[in-house]
Amino acid sequence: DVKVTQSSRYLVKRTGEKVFLECVQDMDHENMFWYRQDPGLGLRLIYFSYDVKMKEKGDIPEGYSVSREKKERFSLILESASTNQTSMYLCASSLSFWVSTYEQYFGPGTRLTVT
Amino acid sequence: RKEVEQDPGPFNVPEGATVAFNCTYSNSASQSFFWYRQDCRKEPKLLMSVYSSGNEDGRFTAQLNRASQYISLLIRDSKLSDSATYLCVVNPSNFNKFYFGSGTKLNVKP
Repeated sequence: DVKVTQSSRYLVKRTGEKVFLECVQDMDHENMFWYRQDPGLGLRLIYFSYDVKMKEKGDIPEGYSVSREKKERFSLILESASTNQTSMYLCASSLSFWVSTYEQYFGPGTRLTVT
Repeated sequence: RKEVEQDPGPFNVPEGATVAFNCTYSNSASQSFFWYRQDCRKEPKLLMSVYSSGNEDGRFTAQLNRASQYISLLIRDSKLSDSATYLCVVNPSNFNKFYFGSGTKLNVKP
């Protein structure tokens, strides 16, 4: 079974703090993704990575950065957290970026609250 | 305009009913289509891919209508365990990058 794990299920941070969200997958997948999910807006792609040290902006990258130093690990960084970044953050992985039919496997999500 | 649009519901149906959801997409060149299921406070999981010719998996049938740019999901003989949010997912290119709808909530009642 593919397993995608995220470092925290719930996180509460203060405005202006630097926040790290970690994601690890154990299936040697090339692709990893970070989404945020908000009511009525669905999942929106923040960043994705198709290889170690490679990253591409998604649809809403502002206020976020990412790091992929190892194939199995993809980190999302909020440089200076703001209240509008309160959301559910979902990490996903899939086998290959270059094939559009591969399933995405999701982690359990991190519910981040910024106060 | 959103890439993918779904009726948020909720659809409240009795056990044993047949229920159908539609989802429209804006990019006529979209390549791949999927339905994911998301249980309350859980992560999304793939329910089924949607093929051009339509496909069936047990009680679930998915259809694609390219001319009208929508996909559909039909659930027959609904079970209580089918209660979830169903996400329509579209890939507008050949790359593994997806657009998700905001989901349709289904409540199956005894």
